[in-house]
Amino acid sequence: EIVLTQSPGTLSLSPGERATLSCRASQSVSSSYLAWYQQKPGQAPRLLIYGASTRATGIPDRFSGSGSGTDFTLTISRLEPEDFAVYYCQQYGTSPLYSFGQGTKLEFK
Amino acid sequence: EVQLVESGGGLVQPGGSLRLSCAASGFTFSSYWMNWVRQAPGKGLEWVANINQDGSEKYYVDSVKGRFTISRDNAKKSLSLEMNSLRAEDTAVYYCSRRFAAGKNFDYWGQGTLVTVSS
Repeated sequence: EIVLTQSPGTLSLSPGERATLSCRASQSVSSSYLAWYQQKPGQAPRLLIYGASTRATGIPDRFSGSGSGTDFTLTISRLEPEDFAVYYCQQYGTSPLYSFGQGTKLEFK
Repeated sequence: EVQLVESGGGLVQPGGSLRLSCAASGFTFSSYWMNWVRQAPGKGLEWVANINQDGSEKYYVDSVKGRFTISRDNAKKSLSLEMNSLRAEDTAVYYCSRRFAAGKNFDYWGQGTLVTVSS
């Protein structure tokens, strides 16, 4: 079973700052199937990044993804007020077919 | 516009059953894998099950195997999740989601329906 561990659990930053979120897998995962989602309170998750580094349709270019193997990163270059939310990484692979990280909460400092 | 609208959630006693539905519109439903993902109150996301385009392939997370059944009706553009032998730990918001064509991840999600298992 592949476990995704996200760090930090909570990240306190201010608008305009740069955010770096980490997702580490317990074993190597395919970059093709590593995604990042954003979830705001009371809302469904929204796909941000797929294939580790490809922005989904309509996602601003301040969001970028990188990484391979077991280490992946989501970077938000300059935080906007609407970016404060919970972020999840997800992988597709072996049992379970899909797994998510436990999430990183990005909060106002 | 792609829309996924879940229904069927509610309060059910432990050991009981419930059937969730997801109505799809705005895309060719029969061309996509579909998924159920759940989120317990205050917790993270957990993939539950998925089904391929014609319903011939179905996969489940171990914790629901033998209790939950995913199905679809392409003519009605509808996805379902039959849940039996429900447990307290099944309490969650259940989301219907579409696996997008370019990869394996989920590009559209419904707003979710809450299932509460409690006596």
